Amino acid sequence: EPEVTQTPSHQVTQMGQEVILRCVPISNHLYFYWYRQILGQKVEFLVSFYNNEISEKSEIFDDQFSVERPDGSNFTLKIRSTKLEDSAMYFCASREGTGTGELFFGEGSRLTVL
Amino acid sequence: QQQVKQSPQSLIVQKGGISIINCAYENTAFDYFPWYQQFPGKGPALLIAIRPDVSEKKEGRFTISFNKSAKQFSLHIMDSQPGDSATYFCAASRPGTASKLTFGTGTRLQVTL
Repeated sequence: EPEVTQTPSHQVTQMGQEVILRCVPISNHLYFYWYRQILGQKVEFLVSFYNNEISEKSEIFDDQFSVERPDGSNFTLKIRSTKLEDSAMYFCASREGTGTGELFFGEGSRLTVL
Repeated sequence: QQQVKQSPQSLIVQKGGISIINCAYENTAFDYFPWYQQFPGKGPALLIAIRPDVSEKKEGRFTISFNKSAKQFSLHIMDSQPGDSATYFCAASRPGTASKLTFGTGTRLQVTL
């Protein structure tokens, strides 16, 4: 069964450092998303991406965050200068262009900022 | 207006019992209402979803009931099993395939023997 894969599964970083989280969406999907989940809390939308540009972003997705699809398969989330409050599980998700609109999530990348 | 409110926060049900989780929304533009199941350390996985043109959808032991006028929808898990123990999130989205999901706050379900 096709799946969304994410790396790394866990990253520990110092405050102020740059972090890149990587995702390989399902191959025929056209819409890509990043969500985050602070421990024990709900899943929050960060950004959606379609046709090589951001479709929508939340207020959480400030200038410290960026996304790109550098090579047609990977979809990355970059946090330029991490803060303690960026510690969370980050989920990549993808959706195909037609049909039910089901969003498929990866298993997540846990980011710990010290 | 974008919020989805979910209750209860946690739920303990005996094996074989019925688990009921409720959600309410405010934005009448929402037209897709999925439920996601999340096990510890895993990503959310779609369980069942409904659109507002029907009032109920059943898949195996899982049923969504949808009340458009009350702007509420609920998940019923019949014959609950220990393997159902997980966190359940309701969600909603507006029309359009690029549209984001807005999640509820989650319900931690524990099914006891």
